Amino acid sequence: GAVVSQHPSWVICKSGTSVKIECRSLDFQATTMFWYRQFPKQSLMLMATSNEGSKATYEQGVEKDKFLINHASLTLSTLTVTSAHPEDSSFYICSAAHTGNTEAFFGQGTRLTVV
Amino acid sequence: AQSVTQLGSHVSVSEGALVLLRCNYSSSVPPYLFWYVQYPNQGLQLLLKYTSAATLVKGINGFEAEFKKSETSFHLTKPSAHMSDAAEYFCAVSDGGGGADGLTFGKGTHLIIQP
Repeated sequence: GAVVSQHPSWVICKSGTSVKIECRSLDFQATTMFWYRQFPKQSLMLMATSNEGSKATYEQGVEKDKFLINHASLTLSTLTVTSAHPEDSSFYICSAAHTGNTEAFFGQGTRLTVV
Repeated sequence: AQSVTQLGSHVSVSEGALVLLRCNYSSSVPPYLFWYVQYPNQGLQLLLKYTSAATLVKGINGFEAEFKKSETSFHLTKPSAHMSDAAEYFCAVSDGGGGADGLTFGKGTHLIIQP
């Protein structure tokens, strides 16, 4: 199956700093990438959808100035959490798909802890 | 709008017993349905998917699910539980009716295997 890699797997940062999470499709071209957030012991919530070369589409209630998404190439999307606060601590998971795929492929997730 | 309901946040079965995890969906378009498994602090692993072909879908690790349109259900089963099946299971429906779309997840079911 297709491989999606996220980096880093976990990160601890200080409150007020920004953190960048990368999502790479290793063996296919991802025309669309998705970013999800998962709170402890809860389900995944779609945050935004990004298409290569276009601005991301954010779900209702997600602050686009807080969670900056860039999908500059067909193999890389980044999520930057700006001015992070403890309430941003969460598990962030990306997935990637190519047009016509019958499924999107998930990364292994990034555990963000803001202290 | 799509939605997924997973009945039972926790399901406990004995090792060797039948596993049944329930999922009901609501979709405004013919659905693509998925079951994922998540182990602690890890990403999602696809167990199986329904993409409008056969209604009985076989997945990995001995799991299968049956799509029942009349009941809007997509329950996950495994004839004989193994200790290694203990994990969190998520049912999901594609937001756009295609595989390469964002997903709406159910709240998850924690499967406990009793020795």
